[in-house]
Amino acid sequence: KAGVTQTPRYLIKTRGQQVTLSCSPISGHRSVSWYQQTPGQGLQFLFEYFSETQRNKGNFPGRFSGRQFSNSRSEMNVSTLELGDSALYLCASSLGGVRNTIYFGEGSWLTVV
Amino acid sequence: DAKTTQPNSMESNEEEPVHLPCNHSTISGTDYIHWYRQLPSQGPEYVIHGLTSNVNNRMASLAIAEDRKSSTLILHRATLRDAAVYYCIRDFGNEKLTFGTGTRLTIIP
Repeated sequence: KAGVTQTPRYLIKTRGQQVTLSCSPISGHRSVSWYQQTPGQGLQFLFEYFSETQRNKGNFPGRFSGRQFSNSRSEMNVSTLELGDSALYLCASSLGGVRNTIYFGEGSWLTVV
Repeated sequence: DAKTTQPNSMESNEEEPVHLPCNHSTISGTDYIHWYRQLPSQGPEYVIHGLTSNVNNRMASLAIAEDRKSSTLILHRATLRDAAVYYCIRDFGNEKLTFGTGTRLTIIP
């Protein structure tokens, strides 16, 4: 069974640009979450989608957005990139019920220059 | 406070057991305790979780104190591949994991 797949794995963007990251959850999983990991702030929750609806949201500015498609695949977008957005962005998936185990992908490394 | 308290770092000799402590003194009766670990340049990997009683799986054992204010992750025989940052997390059941700083485990050959 394939794990959580994220693309691209590495990318470099310029300040002011926007970026879209993609996530394919484990087959059968309906919940997809996104996390940001930086050396200074550690792992922080961005948002979670279930059946194409955002169920939970972390404390990030509106420049960070996401969506989920009917096949449970998800994308997150960051607009007007800032240097501080350089981070590892992690996608995680689960069945979506209460107390289901959450599985993480390898992450997308974003560098903003 | 949703976060847990763990030592910043620990060292252990290869092939020895490792006991990683976690303090969660404000835990409520329905919060599960999850453990994840993150190897260098990888996403977090699920290790084990539990509510009240001790739990075992192929990776590790989880010992939860009777008052549930603390727990210990036990790696029975550490290998070099177990070197990672280990996170102890309270699970509120809302699909949102709040990570602390974790414990960086170093395995000495």
